[in-house]
Amino acid sequence: AQSVSQHNHHVILSEAASLELGCNYSYGGTVNLFWYVQYPGQHLQLLLKYFSGDPLVKGIKGFEAEFIKSKFSFNLRKPSVQWSDTAEYFCAVTPISGNTPLVFGKGTRLSVIA
Amino acid sequence: DSGVTQTPKHLITATGQRVTLRCSPRSGDLSVYWYQQSLDQGLQFLIQYYNGEERAKGNILERFSAQQFPDLHSELNLSSLELGDSALYFCASSVDGIQPQHFGDGTRLSIL
Repeated sequence: AQSVSQHNHHVILSEAASLELGCNYSYGGTVNLFWYVQYPGQHLQLLLKYFSGDPLVKGIKGFEAEFIKSKFSFNLRKPSVQWSDTAEYFCAVTPISGNTPLVFGKGTRLSVIA
Repeated sequence: DSGVTQTPKHLITATGQRVTLRCSPRSGDLSVYWYQQSLDQGLQFLIQYYNGEERAKGNILERFSAQQFPDLHSELNLSSLELGDSALYFCASSVDGIQPQHFGDGTRLSIL
Protein backbone atom coordinates (compact mmCIF):
# COMPACT_ATOMS: atom_id res chain seq x y z
CA ALA A 1 0.00 0.00 0.00
CA GLN A 2 1.15 3.50 -0.71
CA SER A 3 2.20 5.89 2.04
CA VAL A 4 3.05 9.57 2.27
CA SER A 5 5.71 11.16 4.45
CA GLN A 6 5.82 14.79 5.42
CA HIS A 7 9.05 15.28 7.27
CA ASN A 8 8.38 18.67 8.81
CA HIS A 9 5.76 18.63 11.54
CA HIS A 10 5.91 22.33 12.31
CA VAL A 11 7.58 25.09 10.33
CA ILE A 12 7.88 28.65 11.59
CA LEU A 13 8.76 31.39 9.12
CA SER A 14 8.84 35.14 9.07
CA GLU A 15 6.74 37.00 6.54
CA ALA A 16 8.41 37.25 3.11
CA ALA A 17 10.54 34.17 3.74
CA SER A 18 10.54 31.41 1.16
CA LEU A 19 8.75 28.17 1.89
CA GLU A 20 9.43 24.60 0.94
CA LEU A 21 7.49 21.73 2.50
CA GLY A 22 8.70 18.24 1.83
CA CYS A 23 6.53 15.36 0.69
CA ASN A 24 7.71 11.88 -0.26
CA TYR A 25 5.55 8.96 -1.21
CA SER A 26 6.13 5.27 -1.53
CA TYR A 27 4.49 3.56 -4.48
CA GLY A 28 6.06 1.87 -7.48
CA GLY A 29 3.49 2.82 -10.10
CA THR A 30 2.08 6.01 -11.56
CA VAL A 31 0.33 8.28 -9.12
CA ASN A 32 -1.73 11.41 -8.88
CA LEU A 33 -0.44 13.90 -6.31
CA PHE A 34 -2.17 16.62 -4.34
CA TRP A 35 -1.58 19.33 -1.78
CA TYR A 36 -4.41 20.43 0.49
CA VAL A 37 -4.50 23.30 2.96
CA GLN A 38 -6.51 23.65 6.14
CA TYR A 39 -6.70 27.17 7.53
CA PRO A 40 -7.45 27.50 11.26
CA GLY A 41 -11.03 26.56 11.95
CA GLN A 42 -11.79 25.85 8.31
CA HIS A 43 -12.26 22.86 6.08
CA LEU A 44 -9.63 21.34 3.82
CA GLN A 45 -9.15 22.98 0.44
CA LEU A 46 -7.34 21.74 -2.63
CA LEU A 47 -4.21 23.84 -3.31
CA LEU A 48 -2.95 22.07 -6.40
CA LYS A 49 -2.74 18.70 -8.08
CA TYR A 50 -0.51 16.80 -10.48
CA PHE A 51 -1.86 14.19 -12.87
CA SER A 52 0.60 14.26 -15.78
CA GLY A 53 2.61 16.58 -18.00
CA ASP A 54 4.74 19.47 -16.73
CA PRO A 55 6.14 18.36 -13.37
CA LEU A 56 6.02 21.92 -12.08
CA VAL A 57 2.46 22.59 -11.05
CA LYS A 58 1.08 25.98 -10.13
CA GLY A 59 -1.78 26.25 -7.68
CA ILE A 60 -3.80 28.90 -5.96
CA LYS A 61 -2.43 31.72 -3.80
CA GLY A 62 1.04 31.63 -5.36
CA PHE A 63 1.86 28.06 -4.39
CA GLU A 64 3.60 25.62 -6.67
CA ALA A 65 4.88 22.07 -6.38
CA GLU A 66 7.42 20.07 -8.30
CA PHE A 67 7.06 16.37 -8.99
CA ILE A 68 10.44 14.62 -9.11
CA LYS A 69 9.71 11.05 -10.09
CA SER A 70 13.22 9.76 -9.39
CA LYS A 71 12.98 11.02 -5.82
CA PHE A 72 9.31 10.09 -5.27
CA SER A 73 8.84 13.65 -4.10
CA PHE A 74 6.25 16.38 -4.54
CA ASN A 75 7.50 19.36 -2.54
CA LEU A 76 5.37 22.44 -2.05
CA ARG A 77 6.95 25.88 -2.51
CA LYS A 78 6.08 29.53 -2.23
CA PRO A 79 8.64 32.30 -2.84
CA SER A 80 7.33 34.69 -0.20
CA VAL A 81 4.91 33.67 2.55
CA GLN A 82 2.34 35.90 4.18
CA TRP A 83 0.81 35.79 7.63
CA SER A 84 -2.40 34.53 6.01
CA ASP A 85 -0.58 31.38 4.87
CA THR A 86 -0.58 30.15 8.46
CA ALA A 87 -2.32 26.79 8.16
CA GLU A 88 -1.81 23.06 8.06
CA TYR A 89 -0.68 21.58 4.76
CA PHE A 90 -1.37 18.02 3.67
CA CYS A 91 0.23 16.11 0.86
CA ALA A 92 -1.80 13.24 -0.63
CA VAL A 93 -1.33 10.54 -3.25
CA THR A 94 -3.41 8.00 -5.10
CA PRO A 95 -2.50 5.51 -7.82
CA ILE A 96 -4.03 6.34 -11.17
CA SER A 97 -5.49 2.88 -11.56
CA GLY A 98 -8.27 1.27 -9.59
CA ASN A 99 -10.48 2.61 -6.88
CA THR A 100 -7.70 3.27 -4.41
CA PRO A 101 -8.58 6.06 -2.03
CA LEU A 102 -6.49 9.13 -1.48
CA VAL A 103 -3.80 8.64 1.18
CA PHE A 104 -2.79 11.70 3.17
CA GLY A 105 0.42 12.57 4.93
CA LYS A 106 0.20 13.60 8.57
CA GLY A 107 0.43 17.25 7.69
CA THR A 108 2.84 20.12 8.29
CA ARG A 109 1.78 23.03 10.43
CA LEU A 110 3.05 26.34 9.06
CA SER A 111 3.19 29.35 11.35
CA VAL A 112 4.06 32.67 9.72
CA ILE A 113 5.07 35.42 12.09
CA ALA A 114 5.18 39.13 11.38
CA ASP B 1 -18.19 27.75 1.59
CA SER B 2 -17.47 24.27 0.24
CA GLY B 3 -21.13 23.32 -0.10
CA VAL B 4 -20.63 20.22 2.06
CA THR B 5 -22.71 20.24 5.22
CA GLN B 6 -21.93 18.17 8.26
CA THR B 7 -24.03 17.84 11.39
CA PRO B 8 -23.61 18.06 14.26
CA LYS B 9 -20.52 20.25 14.58
CA HIS B 10 -19.71 18.95 18.03
CA LEU B 11 -20.73 15.78 19.79
CA ILE B 12 -19.88 14.77 23.33
CA THR B 13 -20.81 11.32 24.52
CA ALA B 14 -19.63 8.49 26.74
CA THR B 15 -17.84 5.24 26.11
CA GLY B 16 -20.04 2.41 24.91
CA GLN B 17 -22.52 4.73 23.24
CA ARG B 18 -23.55 4.95 19.60
CA VAL B 19 -23.66 8.10 17.46
CA THR B 20 -24.62 9.02 13.91
CA LEU B 21 -22.82 11.68 11.91
CA ARG B 22 -24.51 13.16 8.90
CA CYS B 23 -23.12 14.61 5.69
CA SER B 24 -24.82 16.33 2.78
CA PRO B 25 -22.55 16.57 -0.26
CA ARG B 26 -22.14 19.63 -2.40
CA SER B 27 -25.01 19.96 -4.86
CA GLY B 28 -24.29 17.86 -7.95
CA ASP B 29 -21.62 15.71 -6.30
CA LEU B 30 -22.30 11.99 -6.42
CA SER B 31 -19.48 10.71 -4.26
CA VAL B 32 -19.01 11.02 -0.52
CA TYR B 33 -15.86 10.24 1.46
CA TRP B 34 -15.41 9.92 5.20
CA TYR B 35 -12.14 10.67 6.97
CA GLN B 36 -11.05 10.56 10.60
CA GLN B 37 -8.51 13.15 11.73
CA SER B 38 -6.65 12.71 15.00
CA LEU B 39 -3.40 14.11 16.33
CA ASP B 40 -1.56 10.81 16.35
CA GLN B 41 -2.97 9.19 13.19
CA GLY B 42 -3.42 12.22 10.98
CA LEU B 43 -6.08 12.01 8.25
CA GLN B 44 -7.25 8.44 7.83
CA PHE B 45 -9.56 7.43 5.02
CA LEU B 46 -12.54 5.46 6.26
CA ILE B 47 -14.91 4.81 3.38
CA GLN B 48 -16.21 6.16 0.07
CA TYR B 49 -19.59 5.95 -1.63
CA TYR B 50 -20.52 6.76 -5.17
CA ASN B 51 -24.18 7.22 -6.09
CA GLY B 52 -25.33 5.02 -3.24
CA GLU B 53 -22.81 2.22 -3.68
CA GLU B 54 -19.70 1.58 -1.62
CA ARG B 55 -16.66 2.30 -3.81
CA ALA B 56 -13.65 2.04 -1.54
CA LYS B 57 -12.94 1.05 2.03
CA GLY B 58 -10.08 2.18 4.19
CA ASN B 59 -9.20 1.81 7.83
CA ILE B 60 -12.76 1.61 9.04
CA LEU B 61 -13.36 -0.38 12.20
CA GLU B 62 -16.05 -3.06 12.35
CA ARG B 63 -17.80 -0.94 15.00
CA PHE B 64 -18.24 1.74 12.35
CA SER B 65 -20.62 1.60 9.42
CA ALA B 66 -21.84 4.02 6.80
CA GLN B 67 -24.32 4.35 4.00
CA GLN B 68 -25.31 6.76 1.27
CA PHE B 69 -28.99 7.34 0.73
CA PRO B 70 -30.91 7.91 -2.53
CA ASP B 71 -30.82 11.67 -1.96
CA LEU B 72 -27.00 11.26 -1.76
CA HIS B 73 -26.59 12.31 1.84
CA SER B 74 -24.49 9.97 3.92
CA GLU B 75 -24.43 8.84 7.51
CA LEU B 76 -21.53 7.44 9.48
CA ASN B 77 -22.55 5.30 12.44
CA LEU B 78 -20.08 4.76 15.26
CA SER B 79 -20.98 2.24 17.95
CA SER B 80 -19.47 0.87 21.16
CA LEU B 81 -17.49 4.06 21.34
CA GLU B 82 -14.05 4.06 22.94
CA LEU B 83 -11.90 6.91 24.18
CA GLY B 84 -9.65 6.49 21.16
CA ASP B 85 -12.53 7.30 18.82
CA SER B 86 -12.32 10.94 19.86
CA ALA B 87 -11.42 12.77 16.67
CA LEU B 88 -12.56 15.13 13.98
CA TYR B 89 -14.61 13.30 11.36
CA PHE B 90 -14.55 14.89 7.93
CA CYS B 91 -16.86 14.30 5.06
CA ALA B 92 -15.88 15.25 1.51
CA SER B 93 -17.59 15.02 -1.84
CA SER B 94 -16.77 15.02 -5.52
CA VAL B 95 -18.57 14.75 -8.83
CA ASP B 96 -16.52 11.96 -10.35
CA GLY B 97 -15.42 9.94 -7.35
CA ILE B 98 -11.76 10.18 -8.32
CA GLN B 99 -10.57 12.27 -5.40
CA PRO B 100 -12.30 14.37 -2.73
CA GLN B 101 -12.77 17.92 -3.93
CA HIS B 102 -14.98 19.63 -1.40
CA PHE B 103 -14.62 19.13 2.33
CA GLY B 104 -17.05 19.81 5.13
CA ASP B 105 -16.10 21.55 8.37
CA GLY B 106 -16.13 18.27 10.24
CA THR B 107 -17.82 16.87 13.32
CA ARG B 108 -15.70 16.94 16.43
CA LEU B 109 -16.47 13.86 18.51
CA SER B 110 -15.37 13.79 22.13
CA ILE B 111 -15.70 10.62 24.15
CA LEU B 112 -15.68 11.04 27.92
